[in-house]
Amino acid sequence: GAVVSQHPSWVICKSGTSVKIECRSLDFQATTMFWYRQFPKQSLMLMATSNEGSKATYEQGVEKDKFLINHASLTLSTLTVTSAHPEDSSFYICSAPRALENTGELFFGEGSRLTVL
Amino acid sequence: AQSVTQPDIHITVSEGASLELRCNYSYGATPYLFWYVQSPGQGLQLLLKYFSGDTLVQGIKGFEAEFKRSQSSFNLRKPSVHWSDAAEYFCAVGAGYSTLTFGKGTMLLVSP
Repeated sequence: GAVVSQHPSWVICKSGTSVKIECRSLDFQATTMFWYRQFPKQSLMLMATSNEGSKATYEQGVEKDKFLINHASLTLSTLTVTSAHPEDSSFYICSAPRALENTGELFFGEGSRLTVL
Repeated sequence: AQSVTQPDIHITVSEGASLELRCNYSYGATPYLFWYVQSPGQGLQLLLKYFSGDTLVQGIKGFEAEFKRSQSSFNLRKPSVHWSDAAEYFCAVGAGYSTLTFGKGTMLLVSP
């Protein structure tokens, strides 16, 4: 079963509104989570690293005031797309690393498809 | 800077035939290498990873990959493809999870 879950899986909103996407680690604690953006037929581009209890680290070119990230607990990170515009329409994916017996694995959420009208 | 090249955008394979998906990388040191699979509208699932040791890595669902340092390659293989393998496959390289760079993906189509 899924160990990282995203909600909602898809959302349609009007231009100018804000949309919140949640990423939850279901059976482990994640002090770090990653947020990606994926355009059609393209690869995943890391947007930011979400850190529990501190500010997120944004990749170059990603507007931190546009994409607000909050990691308020060890199992939840949220991405809020503020004042969304059609060019923000994309597939947003989160991931969280989980340590497993001296090794690790990165678990991905199911993704959230945002369509801005 | 690290980069990943997946030269094939689409590949069509007959069910039961063998499969090889190509991945070439550019990295300044010994890389961590990964293959992920993404079904439509879904997140990514790890197929296998290479950190060190044996250069032939076994993964889930019957997949394997071979790390060839001299060719900077990490090609994914499966001896017999099933229709359920149709999906998009991503190769990734990095020093750790926070530094992963993904290739653009290869879409696998399986014909009956």
